[in-house]
Amino acid sequence: NAGVTQTPKFQVLKTGQSMTLQCAQDMNHEYMSWYRQDPGMGLRLIHYSVGAGITDQGEVPNGYNVSRSTTEDFPLRLLSAAPSQTSVYFCASSYADGVGELFFGEGSRLTVL
Amino acid sequence: AQKVTQAQTEISVVEKEDVTLDCVYETRDTTYYLFWYKQPPSGELVFLIRRNSFDEQNEISGRYSWNFQKSTSSFNFTITASQVVDSAVYFCALSDRSGNTPLVFGKGTRLSVIA
Repeated sequence: NAGVTQTPKFQVLKTGQSMTLQCAQDMNHEYMSWYRQDPGMGLRLIHYSVGAGITDQGEVPNGYNVSRSTTEDFPLRLLSAAPSQTSVYFCASSYADGVGELFFGEGSRLTVL
Repeated sequence: AQKVTQAQTEISVVEKEDVTLDCVYETRDTTYYLFWYKQPPSGELVFLIRRNSFDEQNEISGRYSWNFQKSTSSFNFTITASQVVDSAVYFCALSDRSGNTPLVFGKGTRLSVIA
């Protein structure tokens, strides 16, 4: 059982480049979300989705874009990378938002130079 | 709005000591869920416990125990006889049911257990 799979695990970008962090889950969870983790800041919600075709902004959405065309996939796009987006990104899913246990991917460490 | 406060940024204890990690939350809802997650040095996030607002019974799981007190809006986590493997960052999180809000995390407490 793969659970939540994030790719890539590591990425280095130059300022202004774009990229997509991929997230896929095989548990048929309706709810998926993206968090970023920065030292001393805990986990902050970027975007989330309560089902295919539905997305919403979290606490820190600026500079990021998401879509949810299928139940399984929830990619996070950085449109024009900035050094402030250097962080560790976690994708998570659960069977019901706010109620069920969140299952996390292993994280993606992004460095923007 | 939801808010979770973990006032202890870092704690250091000697192995076999007991340690309590504090978590204070704010919510306007009467129905909500509280969580604890562990992040060991390897970086993954591990679910420890979920508690709903209607269940104030304390929970014990091996050396871990949780004390939920609605009167003080606290959901504290105690590790008894700590071990080096308990060294990690621990996050408390909250979700309420107003508008299907997602999980809000505290900033975490870094626990170091020294042999």
